[in-house]
Amino acid sequence: DAGVIQSPRHEVTEMGQEVTLRCKPISGHNSLFWYRQTMMRGLELLIYFNNNVPIDDSGMPEDRFSAKMPNASFSTLKIQPSEPRDSAVYFCASRPTGEENTIYFGEGSWLTVV
Amino acid sequence: AQKITQTQPGMFVQEKEAVTLDCTYDTSDPSYGLFWYKQPSSGEMIFLIYQGSYDQQNATEGRYSLNFQKARKSANLVISASQLGDSAMYFCASSGYSTLTFGKGTMLLVSP
Repeated sequence: DAGVIQSPRHEVTEMGQEVTLRCKPISGHNSLFWYRQTMMRGLELLIYFNNNVPIDDSGMPEDRFSAKMPNASFSTLKIQPSEPRDSAVYFCASRPTGEENTIYFGEGSWLTVV
Repeated sequence: AQKITQTQPGMFVQEKEAVTLDCTYDTSDPSYGLFWYKQPSSGEMIFLIYQGSYDQQNATEGRYSLNFQKARKSANLVISASQLGDSAMYFCASSGYSTLTFGKGTMLLVSP
């Protein structure tokens, strides 16, 4: 079975450019999470969707960040304009509703903003 | 709100020995889960083991076991018979009604 699929795996972009990260959750999973990992702050939850609806976006750093989930099989995380401090690994994860003991992560998108 | 504390930034162990990675948690949720993930240098997050707050027995998965002490709010990971491939970052996490909250992680190095 395919796991959580993220793209791109690696991205290097210039400051000020728009960055779009993509995620395809595991089929049948109703919950989707975006996490950011940095050396300084560790793993931070950015936003959590349930049944395509954003439930908790309190971790989204600022207005430059936005996330959408137009359907059950696709989500995007957009940064516009990007800044060097956004450099991090961005993970998408998904979980089937009612199964609290299973949360699966994608391989991450490694973003470098120069 | 949930909080996870991993007090060991790094741990060293010799191959074939057992090692315990510490984790304490703080949560106000009446029902919660505790997770351990492994992150090797390649970066992916690999699920290792899960313990539900109402589970009576400690969880085990192969060489991994979770030493769950609810009264002490601790959920330590025990790796038996360490292997060189166990060298990685290890993260403890808790989940309440929805999301996972992670600790800062412990770097484990296994030497021959």
